[in-house]
Amino acid sequence: AQSVTQLGSHVSVSEGALVLLRCNYSSSVPPYLFWYVQYPNQGLQLLLKYTSAATLVKGINGFEAEFKKSETSFHLTKPSAHMSDAAEYFCAVSDRGNQFYFGTGTSLTVIP
Amino acid sequence: GAGVSQSPRYKVAKRGQDVALRCDPISGHVSLFWYQQALGQGPEFLTYFQNEAQLDKSGLPSDRFFAERPEGSVSTLKIQRTQQEDSAVYLCASSLGQQSSPLHFGNGTRLTVT
Repeated sequence: AQSVTQLGSHVSVSEGALVLLRCNYSSSVPPYLFWYVQYPNQGLQLLLKYTSAATLVKGINGFEAEFKKSETSFHLTKPSAHMSDAAEYFCAVSDRGNQFYFGTGTSLTVIP
Repeated sequence: GAGVSQSPRYKVAKRGQDVALRCDPISGHVSLFWYQQALGQGPEFLTYFQNEAQLDKSGLPSDRFFAERPEGSVSTLKIQRTQQEDSAVYLCASSLGQQSSPLHFGNGTRLTVT
């Protein structure tokens, strides 16, 4: 079975500081992994995806994530937070079929 | 259109009323998904279509929920005899249908049952 755990439902960082959002997954097959961002009253927008190529994946808006099989993790990072990064972030795992499993989300606050 | 379109954006229904939520996916996307998102939670899977075939409806919470995609494009999620616990945002997503294809989401329909 597949599942996703996002540690920390709320994360606050200062503008310009490092952003680190944690995601651990459980999968019975080699997973596909995704990070999505959701702004208020909008749907989810794809930030980046891991599909078994390079373990370090670069996405939009300066975000990147590293797949670590030994730690079953796919943490999202950004070197320098911007005010516009304030949003809800969701990690998701796909079982390579038609099912996507989402975490409960991490709300990112950026303090000016 | 360029993205997934959902209508209406907001729907208020009195308990017991029937509602219909529409999703217009990205042109050419064979896979279509419906998710339910409660406040402060991640999306929860409801049902999945590949073209016009409904291949998985295991997430539908009760037989009051029904989805269709008759021509393999636009989809409708219908909820009969709405209950307060049905209040949520209903998200539609589409994809190319390949194993590594990401989901592309609409902006959702916020359903409030009073």
